[in-house]
Amino acid sequence: AQSVAQPEDQVNVAEGNPLTVKCTYSVSGNPYLFWYVQYPNRGLQFLLKYITGDNLVKGSYGFEAEFNKSQTSFHLKKPSALVSDSALYFCAVRFYTGTYKYIFGTGTRLKVLA
Amino acid sequence: EAQVTQNPRYLITVTGKKLTVTCSQNMNHEYMSWYRQDPGLGLRQIYYSMNVEVTDKGDVPEGYKVSRKEKRNFPLILESPSPNQTSLYFCASSPPGQGILDTDTQYFGPGTRLTVL
Repeated sequence: AQSVAQPEDQVNVAEGNPLTVKCTYSVSGNPYLFWYVQYPNRGLQFLLKYITGDNLVKGSYGFEAEFNKSQTSFHLKKPSALVSDSALYFCAVRFYTGTYKYIFGTGTRLKVLA
Repeated sequence: EAQVTQNPRYLITVTGKKLTVTCSQNMNHEYMSWYRQDPGLGLRQIYYSMNVEVTDKGDVPEGYKVSRKEKRNFPLILESPSPNQTSLYFCASSPPGQGILDTDTQYFGPGTRLTVL
């Protein structure tokens, strides 16, 4: 079955430190991979995506993600965390199975401590 | 401003009372979708639509209906709501991707928090 896993419910990091939010997937074919962020009482906002090409993808607000095909991972990273980065982060995959479908991970709450 | 709008944003209702949550997008997107968000479960797709008059079930369609009579609108209908449909609902739309019937980045509405008593 197709799936997306975010193994950490919560990640705590000190402001100024690098952060990583993990995502692994299990889907057939060549999926599109996405990261979204959700702030309290808001909808999901698109951060970045990987379709093809360079394995390191840069997105909004200084975030980047590294696609690793052999490990089927797409971890979200930022070199220096800000308190304002505190939010809920979702990894998502778009894949083809007769039609295009999306599945989302369960989300990781990032808490950046001042 | 390009956006996806949902109404109402908050709704408290009782079991069995039919309700509709509206979704509208002004980006001329063909693909639209409904999700529910529950703690620990992430977002789960309810229904999606590839274009006008074309809809299909997602992963959790039971108890829901949709229609797509116009490109910009994709209402979610709960004919007889039950307490297990208490959730946060999101509508999303996506522009075409690179291939036939392909899709791309989804853009989300602000969400509708539904409570069924």
